[in-house]
Amino acid sequence: KNEVEQSPQNLTAQEGEFITINCSYSVGISALHWLQQHPGGGIVSLFMLSSGKKKHGRLIATINIQEKHSSLHITASHPRDSAVYICAVTKTGNQFYFGTGTSLTVIP
Amino acid sequence: ETGVTQSPTHLIKTRGQQVTLRCSSQSGHNTVSWYQQALGQGPQFIFQYYREEENGRGNFPPRFSGLQFPNYSSELNVNALELDDSALYLCASSIGTANQETQYFGPGTRLLVL
Repeated sequence: KNEVEQSPQNLTAQEGEFITINCSYSVGISALHWLQQHPGGGIVSLFMLSSGKKKHGRLIATINIQEKHSSLHITASHPRDSAVYICAVTKTGNQFYFGTGTSLTVIP
Repeated sequence: ETGVTQSPTHLIKTRGQQVTLRCSSQSGHNTVSWYQQALGQGPQFIFQYYREEENGRGNFPPRFSGLQFPNYSSELNVNALELDDSALYLCASSIGTANQETQYFGPGTRLLVL
């Protein structure tokens, strides 16, 4: 069983919809990261969380340490949000342990 | 400031061959981590190099080896290639190995083993 699980695996939404992607982990972590991967392969860091909630533009990330669960929300989704969203955790150092990713397609 | 670069961008090899992938870290970064991403999967941690020494390794066999140079660029070598080694290989650089240090990813090298 993967230490980091994401759901859903695939998600299709209409433009403007509110989107939620979930991540659960089963190990002790120092931080949880949300990353975005575009079709070319490049990965960009969106958030690093160790507690609470962070917001950047239309993106909101939350983490519940007790429940070992995090969510990434996208408000007013747009076709340019289409990408793979990956949850990853770090333990003692900064090496990432990744989930399998959620492929998001936003239709105009 | 130059970002993380990787070469080559694409590569085709046959089973049993050896391959070397290269990564140039972002200016000022002394740490490079390598990841393997199979199609439809999340990346898997291979190993990390910090100041020319291996600093952690994932669950990969010894035929996956690496090197970091004094300028902090890095190589990933894979011997005796297998079909399952076909993947996107990503490197990421950071300033140090502490968990709050953000990693910056390169564009990846796509390896196809036939």
